[in-house]
Amino acid sequence: AQKITQTQPGMFVQEKEAVTLDCTYDTSDPSYGLFWYKQPSSGEMIFLIYQGSYDQQNATEGRYSLNFQKARKSANLVISASQLGDSAMYFCAMREGNFNKFYFGSGTKLNVKP
Amino acid sequence: DAMVIQNPRYQVTQFGKPVTLSCSQTLNHNVMYWYQQKSSQAPKLLFHYYDKDFNNEADTPDNFQSRRPNTSFCFLDIRSPGLGDAAMYLCATSRGQSLSTDTQYFGPGTRLTVL
Repeated sequence: AQKITQTQPGMFVQEKEAVTLDCTYDTSDPSYGLFWYKQPSSGEMIFLIYQGSYDQQNATEGRYSLNFQKARKSANLVISASQLGDSAMYFCAMREGNFNKFYFGSGTKLNVKP
Repeated sequence: DAMVIQNPRYQVTQFGKPVTLSCSQTLNHNVMYWYQQKSSQAPKLLFHYYDKDFNNEADTPDNFQSRRPNTSFCFLDIRSPGLGDAAMYLCATSRGQSLSTDTQYFGPGTRLTVL
């Protein structure tokens, strides 16, 4: 089974609007971390936000927030007030317990329209 | 300020001609990773080191080798590049702590072209 699933290959959003990028995960380890990365066309992967499995509150970092629904095993990224510079690929990733391996989803390409 | 550095940023090689990509880090992290990423796809983990312990992915071709001579440096060697090896190669590091909070820090990548 896929560890990380991103079902939206591409998304469009109007500038200044909010957008939600979906991510579901599969693990039986009670301790895990969920990460979102942004990859602009230049290629560099930029860390955006982290959510731990034991965190009681949803993570927020500036315009990024994570809608963490543990029972549903989902960790959706919400970008508020979209900007043209947000146009990029977005990857959801997971790390389980004590292991150093990260599992990546297939990504969502976000296009912000002016 | 750069924390994970990859050289070169762009590499062109000929079919079958060995090539080495390099990665260095100033973070003193225990773990270093090499990923292959093809256009519009997820990064694919090739292998990673925890300190000197090498961890190969089961589906990484033998054509790909790696060396980590010290904490700061890690190399990716492609012994006989094929056309299918043209991709972006990403190096990343992490502390290697036993907590799932440990994130990865990526370098800017090396884009490999095989002629």
